[in-house]
Amino acid sequence: EVQLVESGGGLVKPGGSLRLSCAASGFTFTDHNINWVRQAPGKGLEWVSSISSSSTYIYYADSVKGRFTISRDNAKNSLYLQMNSLRAEDTAVYYCARVERGAFDMWGQGTVVAVSS
Amino acid sequence: EIVMTQSPVTLSVSPGERATLSCRASQSINSNLAWYQQKPGQAPRLLIYGASSRATGIPVRFSGSGSGTEFTLTISSLQSEDFAVYYCQQYNNWPPYTFGQGTKLEIK
Repeated sequence: EVQLVESGGGLVKPGGSLRLSCAASGFTFTDHNINWVRQAPGKGLEWVSSISSSSTYIYYADSVKGRFTISRDNAKNSLYLQMNSLRAEDTAVYYCARVERGAFDMWGQGTVVAVSS
Repeated sequence: EIVMTQSPVTLSVSPGERATLSCRASQSINSNLAWYQQKPGQAPRLLIYGASSRATGIPVRFSGSGSGTEFTLTISSLQSEDFAVYYCQQYNNWPPYTFGQGTKLEIK
């Protein structure tokens, strides 16, 4: 089955860290750039980070730059997001999303990150 | 950063009627625009890319149009499963990718 499956979310205190994972299956992982997109409770979609197929190009939203690190392991068909210095405003559902013809054509089901003391 | 503005915020339409959703970009994005549908508790689903191309498996009642700064998503005859939130997204000038704030399509 062609899918993306996120994991690693949870409850963390402000200033803490969390590592999200996204496992890909059913397609050639190395053919695609992959993104992280988040959605705060009751809010819209916010792009977080992007990584190219061979990890050559990496980009971050200003809101997470310097705190989050995106990476991928093509041998494991996996994408990661290391999140440090977490803040309350990072509370959201985090989705990984595949790029095809520029648009985000496949999304995972999401993993919930809650930052609270 | 390109700002995407959707209108209206909420649209009330009866089943079987046509729905027209709008999206405006703060500067030209050519045809590099996508539309997504999101239902409660679910991930977004790609409907339209390239402003007017339907994604795989998307019914023909969904159509997109526009270029430059003005775009439209039209649902020709609303089905019960179409009531959801719709987002537009530009991928012409990135980073950052930017989304509109969403239009909630509700049953009238």
